[in-house]
Amino acid sequence: NAGVTQTPKFRVLKTGQSMTLLCAQDMNHEYMYWYRQDPGMGLRLIHYSVGEGTTAKGEVPDGYNVSRLKKQNFLLGLESAAPSQTSVYFCASSYSRVGAGGELFFGEGSRLTVL
Amino acid sequence: ELKVEQNPLFLSMQEGKNYTIYCNYSTTSDRLYWYRQDPGKSLESLFVLLSNGAVKQEGRLMASLDTKARLSTLHITAAVHDLSATYFCAGGYGNKLVFGAGTILRVKS
Repeated sequence: NAGVTQTPKFRVLKTGQSMTLLCAQDMNHEYMYWYRQDPGMGLRLIHYSVGEGTTAKGEVPDGYNVSRLKKQNFLLGLESAAPSQTSVYFCASSYSRVGAGGELFFGEGSRLTVL
Repeated sequence: ELKVEQNPLFLSMQEGKNYTIYCNYSTTSDRLYWYRQDPGKSLESLFVLLSNGAVKQEGRLMASLDTKARLSTLHITAAVHDLSATYFCAGGYGNKLVFGAGTILRVKS
């Protein structure tokens, strides 16, 4: 049981390049989330999904796009990377919504550096 | 909009001492979560507090929730070096989990 898997684990981009982070979960969870973690700021929600085919904006959505074409996958895209997007990105999933006590399971993180 | 504040942000403790991390939140939060993160690692769930007065304990860590004061605490008893990590509280609101900035805990022998 792999849980939540993120690929790639590390990536270096040049300003203006594009890339996609893939998150895959094998727990049949409805809810999936993308967070970014920056020093001293905790984790901030970028986008989330409450089920296959749905997406919604979080706290810091600008510069990112997401898609959830399959229930088990949640993709995070950067169309034109900027140095401000240098961060560690975490994907998470949960069976039920957090307001009802749903517990988040996190991936191992993807470290992105934009030069 | 839910905001979550932790204090202190950095805590240096001696082994064997007790201390408390505080987590205040700004509006009604359905649920309160505590996570641990080791350097370079992912987040590990510690506690989920579901209602006012909830108290949960695991080893040397005990978490409590006071919804009227909008306050959760994480109490550390007789700290040991293995507890050194960053601890996050997070408020659950609808479909979102909002995190505090985290408390970096260093336990010195």
